[in-house]
Amino acid sequence: NAGVMQNPRHLVRRRGQEARLRCSPMKGHSHVYWYRQLPEEGLKFMVYLQKENIIDESGMPKERFSAEFPKEGPSILRIQQVVRGDSAAYFCASSTSKDGSNSEQFFGPGTRLTVL
Amino acid sequence: AQRVTQPEKLLSVFKGAPVELKCNYSYSGSPELFWYVQYSRQRLQLLLRHISRESIKGFTADLNKGETSFHLKKPFAQEEDSAMYYCASDSNYQLIWGAGTKLIIKP
Repeated sequence: NAGVMQNPRHLVRRRGQEARLRCSPMKGHSHVYWYRQLPEEGLKFMVYLQKENIIDESGMPKERFSAEFPKEGPSILRIQQVVRGDSAAYFCASSTSKDGSNSEQFFGPGTRLTVL
Repeated sequence: AQRVTQPEKLLSVFKGAPVELKCNYSYSGSPELFWYVQYSRQRLQLLLRHISRESIKGFTADLNKGETSFHLKKPFAQEEDSAMYYCASDSNYQLIWGAGTKLIIKP
């Protein structure tokens, strides 16, 4: 089991471009979480998804950000019209349990987004 | 709002000395608390959770509801303990994170 995979590991975008971050959960995991980590800060919850469903997106900015977890393929975090403030490390985690809080979350290596 | 506070950004101790990484939480219910660790060039991973009451790699953490704390302790630090340590509290399925403490073990 290769663990949670994220790509790309590093992404550079100019202001106004789109950023697409991919996350493949661990085999057998159907719950995906996205977190953002700004410099010198802890991780901040963004969104929780199950296959084809967004369960909680309360931590995600209302504009420009969207996430999906299709039936087939990886989960995608999409940031449109990026701004410098979007520069951060974005981590994906996955778990098995229906109640994610009681099940260990396994983390990917993260994608470091830099907006020029 | 639920918060997790790690007051120390950096903690540096000598090998063999005791280590205590502080974590305080604010939550009115019965929280579930975790310590995650990130070693250099590795991904974030679970170190321990309070409900399991385990000792992992010599580390223990006790939930103190009176002080709303979940400090991470190890009696004798080892060089391989150098890493970033994050305390987290669950809120339904969300994890609320502290800012992290960088632990450096000096030889």
